[in-house]
Amino acid sequence: DAKTTQPPSMDCAEGRAANLPCNHSTISGNEYVYWYRQIHSQGPQYIIHGLKNNETNEMASLIITEDRKSSTLILPHATLRDTAVYYCIVRVVNRDDKIIFGKGTRLHILP
Amino acid sequence: GAVVSQHPSRVICKSGTSVKIECRSLDFQATTMFWYRQFPKQSLMLMATSNEGSKATYEQGVEKDKFLINHASLTLSTLTVTSAHPEDSSFYICSAFRGRGDPYNSPLHFGNGTRLTVT
Repeated sequence: DAKTTQPPSMDCAEGRAANLPCNHSTISGNEYVYWYRQIHSQGPQYIIHGLKNNETNEMASLIITEDRKSSTLILPHATLRDTAVYYCIVRVVNRDDKIIFGKGTRLHILP
Repeated sequence: GAVVSQHPSRVICKSGTSVKIECRSLDFQATTMFWYRQFPKQSLMLMATSNEGSKATYEQGVEKDKFLINHASLTLSTLTVTSAHPEDSSFYICSAFRGRGDPYNSPLHFGNGTRLTVT
């Protein structure tokens, strides 16, 4: 089972910051938080990941709470092309290193 | 650019035939690749873990004789849907880990998926 919970859907106005929350209250100390997104009929696209420090790259910022039980993905200036399903994932630590996807958040960017 | 290539992107086949889907890591070696299946408006469901040089590990409920996985080299894994039926119609996605060193710190890259339609 997925180790994360996310709201099923969110709306955001174009040009505004989109803040997508994720709860991962059972995360282990050596597990990373990853974010991916999937645009319709495409494979998931990697966005960002982090362990405990906040991270930023050209696509987004990742804010992880101090207790690491939740995180927020921030798209600073959302565009219509950011409409997608966003998945927050915690790496499952086992010998197979497999990733189990939850249901994600369907983000609608409104013009 | 894409680091995992999946082919074909779309395939239509008749019921009872077999279909092979290829997944290639383009500029890195992947000892482990993963195959997912996705039905409309649902999340990705992990089908199996493909291990180079050894047998694949299948998730519970996935028929290994129906979904044959071969990981013959460090850059290629194939999924063959045998004796396909209309209920096998789905979006199949492969993925592979990239990077050296700490595997938990390397992103998982995905192919662009294969839309299989069985008529």
